[in-house]
Amino acid sequence: DAKTTQPTSMDCAEGRAANLPCNHSTISGNEYVYWYRQIHSQGPQYIIHGLKNNETNEMASLIITEDRKSSTLILPHATLRDTAVYYCIVNQGGKLIFGQGTELSVKP
Amino acid sequence: GAVVSQHPSRVICKSGTSVKIECRSLDFQATTMFWYRQFPKQSLMLMATSNEGSKATYEQGVEKDKFLINHASLTLSTLTVTSAHPEDSSFYICSAPVQGTDTQYFGPGTRLTVL
Repeated sequence: DAKTTQPTSMDCAEGRAANLPCNHSTISGNEYVYWYRQIHSQGPQYIIHGLKNNETNEMASLIITEDRKSSTLILPHATLRDTAVYYCIVNQGGKLIFGQGTELSVKP
Repeated sequence: GAVVSQHPSRVICKSGTSVKIECRSLDFQATTMFWYRQFPKQSLMLMATSNEGSKATYEQGVEKDKFLINHASLTLSTLTVTSAHPEDSSFYICSAPVQGTDTQYFGPGTRLTVL
């Protein structure tokens, strides 16, 4: 079973930061949190992952709480092309078990 | 990031026939690949783990005789849907982690329609 819960949908204004929350209260100490996104009818695209430290790359930032029970993906300046389903996934022994994700709509 | 390809991107077949889908890691080697299925408006469901040089391991509820997996080389895994039925119509997606990491890269998916 997926170890994460996310809001079903969110809206964000173009140019503003999109903050996508994820709860993973049953995460184990050595399990990483991964974020992917899927644009309609395409394969998922890797965004970022982390264990306990905050991470940043060219796509996004990942903020993980100190107790590791939740995290937030931040898209600093959302564009229309960021409209997608965003999946927060706990890597369970190399397997990615997808939950339902958050459908992010970026609006002009 | 690493590149994973799938072939074909779309396939339409008649009920009762078999269909083979290929998954290739283009710029890295993958001893393990994963196969997922996605129905419309649903999330991805992990079907099986493909292991190079050994048998695939299937998730609970996935019929191994129905979905044959072969991982013949470090860059190629194939999924064969045998005796396809209309309910097998779905979006099939593969992924592969770069060797030595757990970060999986996904293929673009294969849309299967069984008439």
